[in-house]
Amino acid sequence: GQQLNQSPQSMFIQEGEDVSMNCTSSSIFNTWLWYKQDPGEGPVLLIALYKAGELTSNGRLTAQFGITRKDSFLNISASIPSDVGIYFCAGQMNTGNQFYFGTGTSLTVIP
Amino acid sequence: SQTIHQWPATLVQPVGSPLSLECTVEGTSNPNLYWYRQAAGRGLQLLFYSVGIGQISSEVPQNLSASRPQDRQFILSSKKLLLSDSGFYLCAWSVTQETQYFGPGTRLLVL
Repeated sequence: GQQLNQSPQSMFIQEGEDVSMNCTSSSIFNTWLWYKQDPGEGPVLLIALYKAGELTSNGRLTAQFGITRKDSFLNISASIPSDVGIYFCAGQMNTGNQFYFGTGTSLTVIP
Repeated sequence: SQTIHQWPATLVQPVGSPLSLECTVEGTSNPNLYWYRQAAGRGLQLLFYSVGIGQISSEVPQNLSASRPQDRQFILSSKKLLLSDSGFYLCAWSVTQETQYFGPGTRLLVL
């Protein structure tokens, strides 16, 4: 299946710092999604991107659809303790109904 | 608004026993439905997806099966569980090829 490379695998940051993570694929995607998962719960959709170059914000979160359509970025500004969790990227190609997921970035925020 | 339910939330089963996990979606019609397995809180593995009643696509050969007896019901089954079937099972739905929403998950422990 399609592989999405997500990095970094984990991050330990101080509260108030900004966070950046990215996701790359070998194929062109038409849709990029970013999720956050808390322990023992299902992933929650944070941001959806549908056009190359698109930049979308959701509060302190900003995500971008790369212009090559093979990557996407998520930034979190001024992190707070409740940002702790695992962040997943997901993408969908033009054909098919599948969503392909990255391996996740585990974020720890130190108060 | 749309909601997705999964039950049970937690299940402990002996090796060799059968399995039935249920997922239902409310507030939408003719959704695409998906079953994922997540091991150790990382990496979502697509198991099955369905674009309509009775239509099941299998992504990973294994001792699991899926069925869609009704438009908004998706069932994951096994005749005989293996130790390796332990994990966190997530159901998801989508209507367009643009977003996907997850259920709360079922944690399965096979002993």
